[in-house]
Amino acid sequence: GQQLNQSPQSMFIQEGEDVSMNCTSSSIFNTWLWYKQDPGEGPVLLIALYKAGELTSNGRLTAQFGITRKDSFLNISASIPSDVGIYFCAGPGSSNTGKLIFGQGTTLQVKP
Amino acid sequence: NAGVMQNPRHLVRRRGQEARLRCSPMKGHSHVYWYRQLPEEGLKFMVYLQKENIIDESGMPKERFSAEFPKEGPSILRIQQVVRGDSAAYFCASSPLPGQGPLNYGYTFGSGTRLTVV
Repeated sequence: GQQLNQSPQSMFIQEGEDVSMNCTSSSIFNTWLWYKQDPGEGPVLLIALYKAGELTSNGRLTAQFGITRKDSFLNISASIPSDVGIYFCAGPGSSNTGKLIFGQGTTLQVKP
Repeated sequence: NAGVMQNPRHLVRRRGQEARLRCSPMKGHSHVYWYRQLPEEGLKFMVYLQKENIIDESGMPKERFSAEFPKEGPSILRIQQVVRGDSAAYFCASSPLPGQGPLNYGYTFGSGTRLTVV
């Protein structure tokens, strides 16, 4: 079945550092979504990507839709303590009913 | 301007009891999705409902789990005879559009119900 693999599984960085994480799949996705989940909350959409090769920014966040449509990455520049959380990539399931397939997440911790 | 409301936020049940999780979608949204998140894992799709219809239940366990979204009132995810393995966070998302098309995938999630089975 469809699966999304995220790496790294976790990151512990110093405030101010840049962060890069990625998401890969063995199958093609036509949409890539990046979510952030704060402790005790639901995921919140950060960036949506709809075309292969697309590069989209949202403040300090930048995400790219891979040319092969089998991968995507998310960069966070100049990290701050409130960037702490779990970052998930997601893509539409093959049934085309609106369900999403999620990666297992990258946990980010930022040391002030 | 309330978002997706889920209640209760925390639910503790003994093994064998029933758990009822409620989800009130955003105003004007008639499409609801339920997901389950086990500890240290990503969200896993369970079921997609429109008002009075189950559209896709491919992620629902075959036994003990059911979902409904009546014409009036919230969507309900019901788990009968809970077991320890049902302990998880259950999230609901709602959308104003049918479940197709790229613009629809950015639907809104609630804060979840954390079920603990003791």
